[in-house]
Amino acid sequence: QAGLTQPPSVSKGLRQTATLTCTGNSNNVGNQGAAWVQQHQGHPPKLLSYRNNNRPSGISERLSASRSGNTASLTISGLQPEDEANYYCSAWDSSLSAWVFGGGTKLTVL
Amino acid sequence: QVQLVQSGAEVKKPGASVKVSCKASGYTFTDYYMHWVRQAPGQGLEWMGVINPSGDIITYAQNFQGRVTMTRDTSTSTVYMELSSLKSEDTAVYYCTKETGAFDLWGQGTMVTVSS
Repeated sequence: QAGLTQPPSVSKGLRQTATLTCTGNSNNVGNQGAAWVQQHQGHPPKLLSYRNNNRPSGISERLSASRSGNTASLTISGLQPEDEANYYCSAWDSSLSAWVFGGGTKLTVL
Repeated sequence: QVQLVQSGAEVKKPGASVKVSCKASGYTFTDYYMHWVRQAPGQGLEWMGVINPSGDIITYAQNFQGRVTMTRDTSTSTVYMELSSLKSEDTAVYYCTKETGAFDLWGQGTMVTVSS
């Protein structure tokens, strides 16, 4: 099944801003928007954002999500060491009748 | 406490089946769909399918059609995922995850190792 496209890696300095992207098509990201999860090594994923820019309670305001056409973005400002993790986007695909994930982006905080 | 607690690690031989459980607590089990997602070592997340709490709406990902079965027991707030005809490529961590328009709660994961 076709997935969403994410850059494999992004590196930014401490206290800088990182923007992660997730590209799909009109049947998934362009239709329903995307959700973002964070995963630290050896731990289950954690929801960060859903339906483009809704944050669950307890998620830092340094995170914001958006969508433009078929591309969703997650912006993390004021990068901290604990932001170093893998980030995955996901979306419901109406043509596949399936959830699809991106391949994940490894964020490194220098 | 809102949580999903999964069964322990499994080691299986090729061709065997495995059944993983996921017990929900701290919320109304019958209000939410439950999904299964797996992650092979060093790889990304792969959606396997979804079951609604009443068990009458079940959708499997195309990659697992014919090999996966998802069931639920509302009396114990537990969902199950059984994968048959295991291959070495099925070695992965299997997660259950609750959906509210997105995957907002995850189990701790169950490592399934397929090895002869």
